[in-house]
Amino acid sequence: NAGVTQTPKFRVLKTGQSMTLLCAQDMNHEYMYWYRQDPGMGLRLIHYSVGEGTTAKGEVPDGYNVSRLKKQNFLLGLESAAPSQTSVYFCASSKVASGSISYNEQFFGPGTRLTVL
Amino acid sequence: SQQGEEDPQALSIQEGENATMNCSYKTSINNLQWYRQNSGRGLVHLILIRSNEREKHSGRLRVTLDTSKKSSSLLITASRAADTASYFCATDHSGYSTLTFGKGTMLLVSP
Repeated sequence: NAGVTQTPKFRVLKTGQSMTLLCAQDMNHEYMYWYRQDPGMGLRLIHYSVGEGTTAKGEVPDGYNVSRLKKQNFLLGLESAAPSQTSVYFCASSKVASGSISYNEQFFGPGTRLTVL
Repeated sequence: SQQGEEDPQALSIQEGENATMNCSYKTSINNLQWYRQNSGRGLVHLILIRSNEREKHSGRLRVTLDTSKKSSSLLITASRAADTASYFCATDHSGYSTLTFGKGTMLLVSP
């Protein structure tokens, strides 16, 4: 099993350009998450999905859109990139949601390092 | 914000020493988890402790939870250079479908 994979690994954009980050998981997990990580800020949740066809906003959703057309894929889009979106983006997935009595460990991808000039 | 806070922000020790990191949070939890992040990599789950548990062990890791003080600690015994990484606590709060991550503690273990 590959676990959680992210493409691309690195990308440089110019201000105003658009791009899509792809996250894929092969663990049949219901829940998927997109985070950004900036120095000194820890992990901040951008958007998440509790199942195929559903998405919800996290802590810092502005400037991003997401789609979950297939259970195994979660796409993060930047319609018009800004320098403030320079960051490392992590995707994660979990079998169950927070609040469940079951174990809700999150599995992370290796990250995408994005620079917006 | 319900974000947990780790303390200290950075910790430097010698191989063989023990490392202790603390995490505080603001509202009641279902469980608390610790993750490790090696430089340039994604986070890896280490251990989960439920709100009705006070202590849990996994190999060289020992986690404690004090819900009355809303705090947790992660102890790594007999540290190795390979333990050099950032460590994050994450809290699971009722009514939320997501975990809340702290800002992390950077641990440096020197040979």
